[in-house]
Formats: sequence, C-alpha cells, structure tokens
Amino acid sequence: EAQVTQNPRYLITVTGKKLTVTCSQNMNHEYMSWYRQDPGLGLRQIYYSMNVEVTDKGDVPEGYKVSRKEKRNFPLILESPSPNQTSLYFCASSPTYRNNLGLNTEAFFGQGTRLTVV
Amino acid sequence: KQEVTQIPAALSVPEGENLVLNCSFTDSAIYNLQWFRQDPGKGLTSLLLIQSSQREQTSGRLNASLDKSSGRSTLYIAASQPGDSATYLCAVSRTNAGKSTFGDGTTLTVKP
Repeated sequence: EAQVTQNPRYLITVTGKKLTVTCSQNMNHEYMSWYRQDPGLGLRQIYYSMNVEVTDKGDVPEGYKVSRKEKRNFPLILESPSPNQTSLYFCASSPTYRNNLGLNTEAFFGQGTRLTVV
Repeated sequence: KQEVTQIPAALSVPEGENLVLNCSFTDSAIYNLQWFRQDPGKGLTSLLLIQSSQREQTSGRLNASLDKSSGRSTLYIAASQPGDSATYLCAVSRTNAGKSTFGDGTTLTVKP
C-alpha cells in the first residue's frame, strides 16, 4: 500500500531533550515536506526537500533540522524542544514537485504526530 | 508573502444540498493549487489539483475552479452527503519553488 508513515504518532517530552520524528514514504517520491498545524494558524511549512541531499527552509524553520540522506526518509529533528513547538506535525511527499508535463504533483500526507513539550 | 484565506470558516448544510467553498490568495504567481480534506485526528487527503494553466478540475461530485488573475478558487460539492463532513483546506504552491501555503480551512458539517 502506498503511504507516508510517521513515527511516533504521539509524543510527550520535556524541554531541551532532543527528539526525532521519522517520516518514510514507499512511493519513490522525490519531494518531501514537513508542516506543523496549530489552531488559528493553519498548516505552516517547516522544511522541504526536492530530492536526496537537497533541503530548504519553509516559513517556520526555526528550532528544527532535517536531513535527506536517502529518498524514502525525511526525519525532523528538534535539537532542543521548547513548549512553543507543541503542535501537530505532518509529513508529506509528492512524485515530483515539478515535471515537464506539470502533472501528477498530488501530495500524500502522513497521519500526523502530536507532540507535546512540557 | 503569500496569504491564503478560506471563507467561511465553518458551514453546516442539510444532506443533498450543493455547496461552494471559497479560497483566495494574495500572490497570483502560483504553480498550482490543491484542495485537501482532513478528517478529525487524521492526515490530509488530496482531492483535486489544479495547475496554474488550468481553469478547473473535476472528480466525481467535486469541481474545483481557479481564477489566477483574481486570486480565487472555489470547490463545488454537489449533492452533499454526511460522509462529506470534514475540514477542507486549500494550498497554493509558489512558482519554481518547493514552498506551499495553506489556508486555515473550512469545516463542513452535512446533516442527515
């Protein structure tokens, strides 16, 4: 089954304790992205990756790191989590962000990771 | 900076009604616009994708239109069903970049 898998689904942690949220897709997609969703603020893009070893900042990258060492995985790293990073996080992937036909760039989303930092 | 607005924030309709959800964006230099559905506690499911060169896309009872020059898109849902109850989000992708901006969504409730 084609899917984007995030782990963990729920996480409660303490301020300053490094954590990693994993994201894996089995569709051989080039493009992957991380978002956070907060009430009243909607979905905001944290980081995205056009392909292996190619990453770039979204609108709210502060306090986050990412890496793309292989095509299927795009982990989100919080080196020193703070309470303002309490949020619902989503990972997404697309076949190619941009191709010659401009078609089939539909995004697939993971089920989300609810993170609480106390 | 791109801003995406969805109106109304919430909508409640009786089953069987046709309805329209609205999405507006401030910067018309977009690559594409996508409509998503989000069920409570779940991830997003892509419904329709409209490239910037297209005017509309249809899938079953759903029809999405795009007027790039005026910065507007609509999602038309025909013959609504209780199973359509969810939050609908639109997102625009910026030209030649991997960045995307989402609206806050419209929460739809279809009453039996």
